[in-house]
Amino acid sequence: DTGVSQDPRHKITKRGQNVTFRCDPISEHNRLYWYRQTLGQGPEFLTYFQNEAQLEKSRLLSDRFSAERPKGSFSTLEIQRTEQGDSAMYLCASSSYQGRNTEAFFGQGTRLTVV
Amino acid sequence: ELKVEQNPLFLSMQEGKNYTIYCNYSTTSDRLYWYRQDPGKSLESLFVLLSNGAVKQEGRLMASLDTKARLSTLHITAAVHDLSATYFCAVDLGGQFYFGTGTSLTVIP
Repeated sequence: DTGVSQDPRHKITKRGQNVTFRCDPISEHNRLYWYRQTLGQGPEFLTYFQNEAQLEKSRLLSDRFSAERPKGSFSTLEIQRTEQGDSAMYLCASSSYQGRNTEAFFGQGTRLTVV
Repeated sequence: ELKVEQNPLFLSMQEGKNYTIYCNYSTTSDRLYWYRQDPGKSLESLFVLLSNGAVKQEGRLMASLDTKARLSTLHITAAVHDLSATYFCAVDLGGQFYFGTGTSLTVIP
């Protein structure tokens, strides 16, 4: 396993367009997290899954943001009607949770630029 | 809401010097993680601290956790240029990871 994989690495989109990012976690990890990071800030938690169940989504930034993990493996994060303020790095991480958590391993991120 | 604060936010230090980065958090947790991030890159796991009094060392970095004080430290010994990066602590609360504001470290030759 080569670690957490994210695609695409970079995305430039026009304001108002929809974008979708994909994350493939480490295969044996059951938890998957999405974070947003803006310049000079720490990662900001958005949502997470345990297997296919989305356990927390109240921190998604608006109803334009949604995430899925349909088969408990890869996940997608969609942003509808993008705005310039959505420009950021979107990070995915995975961990193994068996009553207690292990450390989270991060992917390389998807850098979104909304023009 | 959990708050995770790091200080200093920016640190410029000379090679060979020692320094400590502090991570304070506002609610009970006994699991804390330290990460390193290079510019434009993702986060690399450095240390996992899983109980009160835990101490981990790797090379010139040493991390410790005091859960009663809700404080973790990352100590740098005899800094070298390769340590220049941003360092984040992250608190595990209910299986979710909450990150600090980060400390941007620059080591000057």
